[in-house]
Amino acid sequence: QTVVTQEPSFSVSPGGTVTLTCGLSSGSVSTSNYPSWYQQTPGQSPRTLIYSTNTRSSGVPDRFSGSILENKAALTITGAQADDESDYYCVLYVGSGISVFGGGTKLTVL
Amino acid sequence: EVQLAESGGGLVQPGGSLRLSCAASGFTFSTYAMSWVRQAPGKGLEWVSSISTSGGSTYYADSVKGRFTVSRDNSKNTLDLQMHSLRAEDTAFYYCAKHSNSWRPFDYWGQGTLVTVSS
Repeated sequence: QTVVTQEPSFSVSPGGTVTLTCGLSSGSVSTSNYPSWYQQTPGQSPRTLIYSTNTRSSGVPDRFSGSILENKAALTITGAQADDESDYYCVLYVGSGISVFGGGTKLTVL
Repeated sequence: EVQLAESGGGLVQPGGSLRLSCAASGFTFSTYAMSWVRQAPGKGLEWVSSISTSGGSTYYADSVKGRFTVSRDNSKNTLDLQMHSLRAEDTAFYYCAKHSNSWRPFDYWGQGTLVTVSS
């Protein structure tokens, strides 16, 4: 049973920088897991921020960036804004057509 | 512009069946793998099922294996999810999602359709 781990919650000050992470129970995350990140606000469908590790989706500001850091996938938000307050989900491809989502991180901007 | 539009959700009794559909437009549907992802009320995202470009390969989460069947019609640009033996825990918003390339996770999502399993 593959488990993808995310911080349940995180807080950042307006204008600050925050890095959310996405880990894999079975070991290190690599680019072969094609980590992807999604932002979701209540009542809305997920919005794609980053796919395939570090490709920004169309229209996503460059304040959002994806990377691999210390064996985990990472989403870094710089210059945090009030409307960045959302739930953030990562997903990892684990092979055989199967993707696994993390439990999500609730980001508070205050 | 890529668009994915789900339909078919509704209220169904436990043990019942429902068929969801997703109409795709704005991209060459036949060249992308597709998936269904669900989200129970107040919970996180859960991958449900994926299907290859030709439909020849399908994959399922353990929670739905043997009860759900994914299919696609590349001539009509549609993705379907046939759901049988529905349980209360299947209650969720169901989203169709386009894979970005091969099996790489998702770059576009639909708006979702709500399935409620209740007596």
